[in-house]
Amino acid sequence: DVKVTQSSRYLVKRTGEKVFLECVQDMDHENMFWYRQDPGLGLRLIYFSYDVKMKEKGDIPEGYSVSREKKERFSLILESASTNQTSMYLCASSTGVLQQYFGPGTRLTVT
Amino acid sequence: GQQVMQIPQYQHVQEGEDFTTYCNSSTTLSNIQWYKQRPGGHPVFLIQLVKSGEVKKQKRLTFQFGEAKKNSSLHITATQTTDVGTYFCAGRADSWGKLQFGAGTQVVVTP
Repeated sequence: DVKVTQSSRYLVKRTGEKVFLECVQDMDHENMFWYRQDPGLGLRLIYFSYDVKMKEKGDIPEGYSVSREKKERFSLILESASTNQTSMYLCASSTGVLQQYFGPGTRLTVT
Repeated sequence: GQQVMQIPQYQHVQEGEDFTTYCNSSTTLSNIQWYKQRPGGHPVFLIQLVKSGEVKKQKRLTFQFGEAKKNSSLHITATQTTDVGTYFCAGRADSWGKLQFGAGTQVVVTP
């Protein structure tokens, strides 16, 4: 079974803090994705990566950056957290254009 | 840019009844995927449709891809309490493009 894990299920940070969200997949997938999920808005793509050290902006990249130093790991970075970044963050991985496998999500609260 | 819209946003269903949720794209899609997210869970892949007019069935779930490849539907017959959750469609405008998720249809089933 494909497993996608995320470093935290719940996270509370203060405004202005630097926040790291980690995602690890164990199926050697080349593609990895970061989404945020907000009520009524569905899943919105923040960043994705098709290969190690490669990254592409999604639909809402502002205020975020990413890092992919190893194939299995994709990190989302909030350089200076703001309250409007309070959300559920979901990581996913896939191979080719096949289905995406999602992690359990990290519910981030910025106070 | 490409937009994917789902209707309805909420669906209350009596156990045993049928219902349909619809997905419409502003552009022609290369393929479309459907995911289900149980309350408190993460999205899980259900199916992918690729061909114009394609119909696929999974037990009580019937998925259709429109002839023009701009819309899709999910029909559930004899709804059960296990069908509770949010159903997302996600479309891809070209073969290797990113997935665009709809806002989802949240389904509540009353016994």
